[in-house]
Amino acid sequence: AQSVAQPEDQVNVAEGNPLTVKCTYSVSGNPYLFWYVQYPNRGLQFLLKYITGDNLVKGSYGFEAEFNKSQTSFHLKKPSALVSDSALYFCAVRPTGGFKTIFGAGTRLFVKA
Amino acid sequence: GAGVSQSPSNKVTEKGKDVELRCDPISGHTALYWYRQSLGQGLEFLIYFQGNSAPDKSGLPSDRFSAERTGGSVSTLTIQRTQQEDSAVYLCASSYLAGSTDTQYFGPGTRLTVL
Repeated sequence: AQSVAQPEDQVNVAEGNPLTVKCTYSVSGNPYLFWYVQYPNRGLQFLLKYITGDNLVKGSYGFEAEFNKSQTSFHLKKPSALVSDSALYFCAVRPTGGFKTIFGAGTRLFVKA
Repeated sequence: GAGVSQSPSNKVTEKGKDVELRCDPISGHTALYWYRQSLGQGLEFLIYFQGNSAPDKSGLPSDRFSAERTGGSVSTLTIQRTQQEDSAVYLCASSYLAGSTDTQYFGPGTRLTVL
């Protein structure tokens, strides 16, 4: 079965420190990978996506993600966290040629001042 | 430009009642998706519309759930004879095309509470 795993329910980081939110997937072929963020009382917002090419993808708000095919991972990173980054982050995968997007359960990020 | 809008933002209903949730996609977007987000869980795909093609209903959890998309734009998700387990946030998303690489743009959601 196709799935996306976000192994951490919650990540705590001090402001100014680097952050990583982990994502691994189990999908056949070469899927497309996405990260979305959900701020309180707001809808999901697109952060970045990997389609092909450079394994390091840069997105909105200073976030980036690294695609690792051998480890089937797509971890979200940011060099210096801000308190305003505190939100719920979702990793998502879409099989090549398909339209159904499989979402992870989400990771709540807390950035402490 | 305007994003995806959904109404109502909150809906409280009694068990057994029918509810209708509305989604207005971004103008010009041909693909429209419905998802359900339950507390502490990820997004569960419900249904997908693309242009005039027949919708993919494979994610609908039961025959109490149905959805329509009129004129290739506005969509309505209907839940009949609501149950308490239907309580969740229902999210709508649209994308310009339906290709695998397209970014989905989400609405703010409708929070449904079934008493």
